[in-house]
Amino acid sequence: AQSVTQPDIHITVSEGASLELRCNYSYGATPYLFWYVQSPGQGLQLLLKYFSGDTLVQGIKGFEAEFKRSQSSFNLRKPSVHWSDAAEYFCAVFNAGNNRKLIWGLGTSLAVNP
Amino acid sequence: GAGVSQSPSNKVTEKGKDVELRCDPISGHTALYWYRQRLGQGLEFLIYFQGNSAPDKSGLPSDRFSAERTGESVSTLTIQRTQQEDSAVYLCASSMTSGVSYEQYFGPGTRLTVT
Repeated sequence: AQSVTQPDIHITVSEGASLELRCNYSYGATPYLFWYVQSPGQGLQLLLKYFSGDTLVQGIKGFEAEFKRSQSSFNLRKPSVHWSDAAEYFCAVFNAGNNRKLIWGLGTSLAVNP
Repeated sequence: GAGVSQSPSNKVTEKGKDVELRCDPISGHTALYWYRQRLGQGLEFLIYFQGNSAPDKSGLPSDRFSAERTGESVSTLTIQRTQQEDSAVYLCASSMTSGVSYEQYFGPGTRLTVT
């Protein structure tokens, strides 16, 4: 069965430090992968997505993610975190079969220390 | 342009009552999705519409849950005889169509509390 695992429930980093949020997926075919961010009191916003091609994808707000098929991973990175990046981050894989739905990880809560 | 809107933003109801949650998708979006997000949990798929039909209702947790969509626009999610475990944020999303390349745009959600 398809699944997404985000091993880190909560991460705290200092402002200006680098960030990596982990995401592992289980999917039988070529995965379509997404990262969403949910800021307090706001809706979910798409950060970036991977469908095919270049395995390093760039997103909004300075985020990037790298698809590694051998590791079944799609980790999210940012070189220098800003206080406004504090939010909940969700990784998801799209089920391109009949169900056509996003399968979500449980999320990683990011706190940023000044 | 206007994004996805949901109403009410908050709903407190007594156990056993029925509730209706509303979603207004982005104009022209033919696909509409409902998700449930329990406290500290990821998103749980409930149902999706392509146009007015619902090809996949597999996520509806019980027969107390139903959803409809009319005019390829507004959708309502109805929960009958609410239970405390129904307490969650209910999120709606829409996309141009149901293909993978079409981004899902999310509404702010309806926070349902069943007392």
